[in-house]
Amino acid sequence: DTGVSQDPRHKITKRGQNVTFRCDPISEHNRLYWYRQTLGQGPEFLTYFQNEAQLEKSRLLSDRFSAERPKGSFSTLEIQRTEQGDSAMYLCASSLGEGDQAQHFGDGTRLSIL
Amino acid sequence: AQSVSQHNHHVILSEAASLELGCNYSYGGTVNLFWYVQYPGQHLQLLLKYFSGDPLVKGIKGFEAEFIKSKFSFNLRKPSVQWSDTAEYFCAVNFYNAGNMLTFGGGTRLMVKP
Repeated sequence: DTGVSQDPRHKITKRGQNVTFRCDPISEHNRLYWYRQTLGQGPEFLTYFQNEAQLEKSRLLSDRFSAERPKGSFSTLEIQRTEQGDSAMYLCASSLGEGDQAQHFGDGTRLSIL
Repeated sequence: AQSVSQHNHHVILSEAASLELGCNYSYGGTVNLFWYVQYPGQHLQLLLKYFSGDPLVKGIKGFEAEFIKSKFSFNLRKPSVQWSDTAEYFCAVNFYNAGNMLTFGGGTRLMVKP
């Protein structure tokens, strides 16, 4: 399968713990996006990378959230000191860039905070 | 802030009925428009996209959508639905003045009765 890959699929953790999610985009895609989706809502944008540069960040991305894409390939999203409100599905998407901006999504990581 | 509205949260149809799902957005400038579908237990999949040109766009699985600029709308249609179309449908907009992010509507949950 050459689609967007996310790991883990599910994460259960206690409030206050740190968690890290990984996303592997489609190999030739230079743009990578993180979204968050809660039950009954559409995905909400968190942040965007072009290659290794983080170019856009949503106001939803508090200082407890940090994302990296160190070599312009895979990306990680870390949440520090998790809170109940962080429970959501975290989605990663990638796109080719100029010429084809359609974003292709992974299966997501479902985070549950106890 | 720009927003995307999907008016129907739940739609129930019988097989062979025609489908139209509404999508409106709040911005009068240049936009790219998308419809995504999420089948139960699966990731978001791109149904169709509009960047420019013919405002009537054909996508996969017999779906089409029409961009009406004067109405800020991008409604999704299918002449005859099947049971396998049961899914959640999301309209998404890339607003040119907001960078590369997608803004999603709240989704429409479609149930097709056999």
